[in-house]
Amino acid sequence: EAQVTQNPRYLITVTGKKLTVTCSQNMNHEYMSWYRQDPGLGLRQIYYSMNVEVTDKGDVPEGYKVSRKEKRNFPLILESPSPNQTSLYFCASSHGQGRRGQFFGPGTRLTVL
Amino acid sequence: KQEVTQIPAALSVPEGENLVLNCSFTDSAIYNLQWFRQDPGKGLTSLLLIQSSQREQTSGRLNASLDKSSGRSTLYIAASQPGDSATYLCAVSGGSYIPTFGRGTSLIVHP
Repeated sequence: EAQVTQNPRYLITVTGKKLTVTCSQNMNHEYMSWYRQDPGLGLRQIYYSMNVEVTDKGDVPEGYKVSRKEKRNFPLILESPSPNQTSLYFCASSHGQGRRGQFFGPGTRLTVL
Repeated sequence: KQEVTQIPAALSVPEGENLVLNCSFTDSAIYNLQWFRQDPGKGLTSLLLIQSSQREQTSGRLNASLDKSSGRSTLYIAASQPGDSATYLCAVSGGSYIPTFGRGTSLIVHP
């Protein structure tokens, strides 16, 4: 089954404790991205990657890191999480520039205390 | 910079009504427009994808149209059901690698 998976689905952590949210897709998509969704602000893109070893900042990259060592995986790293990073996070993938549409993961609910 | 607006922000209708959700965008140089459904606290489910060369797409009770020149898309839902209650998002993909999302229309269909 074609899908985007994220882990963990739910995470409660404390300020400053490094964490990684994994994202994996099995559709051989070149393009992957991370979004955060907050009430009243909608979906905002954090980082995106056009292919292996190619990443770039989205609209709200501060406080986040990413890497793309393999085509199928695109982890999101929070080196020192803060409470303002409490949010619902989505990973998405697509072919090229999304010409065939985007596929989203199920989301990761992160709470930073 | 592309801006996407969805109107109305919220909608409450009785079961059985036909309804129209609107999405407008400021830059007509797009590759495609995609409509999604999102249930509370859940992920995004793709409903319809319209390429820039297309005028409309249909899936079951859903029909989406695209008018690039006027920067508008509509999502038509026929014979609405309580199970259609969700937030509907449109996203526009253009020359950049950053798709632009609208804030969504929150739909409630009551029995």
